[in-house]
Amino acid sequence: DADVTQTPRNRITKTGKRIMLECSQTKGHDRMYWYRQDPGLGLQLIYYSFDVKDINKGEISDGYSVSRQAQAKFSLSLESAIPNQTALYFCALWDRENIQYFGAGTRLSVL
Amino acid sequence: AQSVTQPDIHITVSEGASLELRCNYSYGATPYLFWYVQSPGQGLQLLLKYFSGDTLVQGIKGFEAEFKRSQSSFNLRKPSVHWSDAAEYFCAVGAVKNTGTASKLTFGTGTRLQVTL
Repeated sequence: DADVTQTPRNRITKTGKRIMLECSQTKGHDRMYWYRQDPGLGLQLIYYSFDVKDINKGEISDGYSVSRQAQAKFSLSLESAIPNQTALYFCALWDRENIQYFGAGTRLSVL
Repeated sequence: AQSVTQPDIHITVSEGASLELRCNYSYGATPYLFWYVQSPGQGLQLLLKYFSGDTLVQGIKGFEAEFKRSQSSFNLRKPSVHWSDAAEYFCAVGAVKNTGTASKLTFGTGTRLQVTL
């Protein structure tokens, strides 16, 4: 079973602030993903990474950036947070069997 | 580009009754298909997956799903629902690279299941 850790679990911030959500894994898998979940919209892909040097935009990358600092770490940043970025954010990774595992999520509120 | 449709936003069933959650997908080739469950305040847990082979797949918690290529469907079923099955269910389709590696998932909007006692 994959181990995906997201920090923080909850965060409240103000409009215009920079915020970073962190994701780490202990299983050595290459493919890591960031999703956003809004009620009624399911999960939307923000960014994904196949390895440290391979970063790809997803469906809704505007307003977000990512950093793959190491194979085990994939961070999501909101450079200038806005209220409509209030959502539940999930980090996920694919294992070598093509199974995607999810972290517990970060609930972000932008006031 | 792939897409997934879950036509039922909300379903209510009685405990002990059978359940079927619908999922239709659009993808140019044989996709990788998944069902995930999300309990309130929790992350997503994989219920089952289809990659190839037998079109009826078994998952955890007594769930099964059937891949029907002709209907582009991958419906989730359970013969007898338990109150603990109340949750949100997501169908997802994975884009498959020519190496057989899945590159990304596209999710449906989810079906919320309510179970009455």
